[in-house]
Parts: sequence; C-alpha cells; structure tokens
Amino acid sequence: GESVGLHLPTLSVQEGDNSIINCAYSNSASDYFIWYKQESGKGPQFIIDIRSNMDKRQGQRVTVLLNKTVKHLSLQIAATQPGDSAVYFCAENMDSSYKLIFGSGTRLLVRP
Amino acid sequence: KAGVTQTPRYLIKTRGQQVTLSCSPISGHRSVSWYQQTPGQGLQFLFEYFSETQRNKGNFPGRFSGRQFSNSRSEMNVSTLELGDSALYLCASSFSGSSYEQYFGPGTRLTVT
Repeated sequence: GESVGLHLPTLSVQEGDNSIINCAYSNSASDYFIWYKQESGKGPQFIIDIRSNMDKRQGQRVTVLLNKTVKHLSLQIAATQPGDSAVYFCAENMDSSYKLIFGSGTRLLVRP
Repeated sequence: KAGVTQTPRYLIKTRGQQVTLSCSPISGHRSVSWYQQTPGQGLQFLFEYFSETQRNKGNFPGRFSGRQFSNSRSEMNVSTLELGDSALYLCASSFSGSSYEQYFGPGTRLTVT
C-alpha cells in the first residue's frame, strides 16, 4: 500500500544517467546524517551515512556530499537503474541519540 | 540474520479503541525506535528504548506509549484512537555501538475508522 506522501517532489531520470537528490537539513548542531530509500509497501532501507566531520563519503554507486556551511546534503546515484525507483529520505541526528529527524522525501522515477 | 519484524502488518480499529503493535529487532540489537509515517507529516520519531528504558521521546501525546522487554522486543500502544492516528508505524533497531545506523521493519499499517 501507499506509504509516503502523494505530493513529493519528483526527480525523473533516464536509466543509465546519474541522479542527484538534494536535502536541506534543519539543525546546525546535527552530527550524523543518513540517506534512506523507501519502496512502496516497505520500510526505509539504509543507503549510506556520513558524520559531520566529513564532506564526502562513497559507497557502491552512491556518494553523499555534506555542506555544513549551507546545511545541505546530497545523494548521488551513478548509472541509475530501474530498481532505484523509490522515495529517498535524508535524516539527521543530533546529540548522539537515536532520534532521527527525517526530511520530507524525494521520489525518484527511472525511465527505461 | 533475520531483519526487523513487525506484527501485525495491517490493522483496522475504530475510534476510541486502543491498539498494541509489536516489534522484534534484529538479533543482538538492543535499541528499538518507533516512528509514525503519514502523507501529511512524513516520518516522525515517537520514542526509543534501550535496555527496557525509554531514552528519547518525540512530541506525541501521552496516548502513545511503549515498552521494551528483556529480550529487546518492543511494543507500542495507542489508547483512545483518533482518525488522525491512521498511519504506517515503523520500528527500527540499532546495535547501539558507535554507529547510529538504524534498520527498519516493514511497518504496521493502522487504519482508524
């Protein structure tokens, strides 16, 4: 069933292209950031994380960039595949707790 | 390892009733967090439990409560249900070491009529 908002910003990309999903976070004291992917009917799935003492972190086909000056986070997906179609959330964490504050999400649609 | 499991997956209740949702974390994970997801408000933190103690709490009314058992399994309870409580309730578990990485279950879809 539908588990996320119906009016999310949507990014549509061609299969094989690179995708960049952006997120503005709210608290300059946040020290840990995570990107999650959520497919319809499923819970969020961890993609990649980054601590505030880093600017960039790379995973398999994904890169997260952190710009603390403007409180901006981005997720880059290389060679986007149909299976990447989902809603992507950024989340921030502060005061070394397990309380995550989630962004509103971006829907990624991959055109074949 | 088995992932986070939540039961039931779907639930329909009537206004005024109460409901209990269950979450079994990944084996070895001691921290369990609960989130509410709605189209209007997105994902919102409810509370987090560690070693049977609530460590963090979000901004929800007292009708929302939870607990954690000695085996790290957790339950959340919502009393006097309102229509606005209709949502996907997600549980996430963490090892509670140096990483704050949380692993989510599939959620319980609660519909209040």
